[in-house]
Amino acid sequence: QQQVKQSPQSLIVQKGGIPIINCAYENTAFDYFPWYQQFPGKGPALLIAIRPDVSEKKEGRFTISFNKSAKQFSLHIMDSQPGDSATYFCAASMRGATNKLIFGTGTLLAVQP
Amino acid sequence: GAGVSQSPSNKVTEKGKDVELRCDPISGHTALYWYRQSLGQGLEFLIYFQGNSAPDKSGLPSDRFSAERTGGSVSTLTIQRTQQEDSAVYLCASSGGLADASVQYFGPGTRLTVT
Repeated sequence: QQQVKQSPQSLIVQKGGIPIINCAYENTAFDYFPWYQQFPGKGPALLIAIRPDVSEKKEGRFTISFNKSAKQFSLHIMDSQPGDSATYFCAASMRGATNKLIFGTGTLLAVQP
Repeated sequence: GAGVSQSPSNKVTEKGKDVELRCDPISGHTALYWYRQSLGQGLEFLIYFQGNSAPDKSGLPSDRFSAERTGGSVSTLTIQRTQQEDSAVYLCASSGGLADASVQYFGPGTRLTVT
């Protein structure tokens, strides 16, 4: 119940394309869903996050779509650029004592010029 | 201000040796987390500190792993009698800023290799 399942494992798109990364969870107590971006040799950096009271959130070229009934959420990257090539992790946590993050296994995105 | 810093950036050790990994959180952040990232895997929660409360050690994989946080700031993760399966990147994160206490800011990690 603590798992967050992420797909695909890897993704290749052309510059300008719209990669979509999907995550699914089981624990309905989760109430915070961030996406992190990680470049090689660096720590993950928060990209965008959503709470279950909204179905969509946009920040620049990044959009989270959230489907509470299906217990799924996804990241869309509009007008993708080669500089977006990185590993993307979805995560979930529940408000409470620790707010520890449960991470998906990551998606390696390559945006070809 | 400065972000989360970790040292060393890389550590190579022989099987059976003890290692200490250090984390300096963002100044003023009350919460500190340790995660482990194995090759090609997601991040796995290890331990959580919040102020003076008892730490949440539920993610530590064995009793060879321990951590402390001195003075509510710097934290040290200690792995005793290292094994090859301990090879991973160990990441520290802190949170508790005024803007959003949920946001965790990660350091660059310590890459541990056990030979």
